[in-house]
Amino acid sequence: EAQVTQNPRYLITVTGKKLTVTCSQNMNHEYMSWYRQDPGLGLRQIYYSMNVEVTDKGDVPEGYKVSRKEKRNFPLILESPSPNQTSLYFCASSWGDSLNTEAFFGQGTRLTVV
Amino acid sequence: GENVEQHPSTLSVQEGDSAVIKCTYSDSASNYFPWYKQELGKRPQLIIDIRSNVGEKKDQRIAVTLNKTAKHFSLHITETQPEDSAVYFCAALSGGGADGLTFGKGTHLIIQP
Repeated sequence: EAQVTQNPRYLITVTGKKLTVTCSQNMNHEYMSWYRQDPGLGLRQIYYSMNVEVTDKGDVPEGYKVSRKEKRNFPLILESPSPNQTSLYFCASSWGDSLNTEAFFGQGTRLTVV
Repeated sequence: GENVEQHPSTLSVQEGDSAVIKCTYSDSASNYFPWYKQELGKRPQLIIDIRSNVGEKKDQRIAVTLNKTAKHFSLHITETQPEDSAVYFCAALSGGGADGLTFGKGTHLIIQP
């Protein structure tokens, strides 16, 4: 089954404790991205990757890191989480070109930083 | 970069009536405009999309229209049903795909019985 898988689904952590949210897709998509969803603000892009070893900042990259060592995986890293990073996070993947660009979303990760 | 504005933020309609959600975009080079539906506690899922070489597209009770000159596009849902209650997001793809999708802030559609 074609899917985007995120882990964990829920995470409560303390300020400053490094964490990683994993994202994996099995559709051989080139394009992967991370969004955060906050009430009244919609989906805001954090980072995106056009292909292996190619990553770029989205609209709200501060406090986040990503890596794309393999095509299928795109982990989101919070080196020193702060309470303002409490949010619902979605990973998405797509072919990334202008002809076939439906974005498939993971199940979401609800992160709480206390 | 691209900027997408979406209105209204909340829309309440009677079951059976029509609902219209409107979006505007800023980058005239944007060429792909999808709409996503997000039910409570679920992930966003594509419901319909339109490309810049088409003015209108319909899929059963859902239709999308695009006005490239005015840089706006709209989602139309006819004969609304309770299962249409959700948050709807419009988006625009710019930068030839390299910049990814820019989303509107979402519309919470409430279907009143």
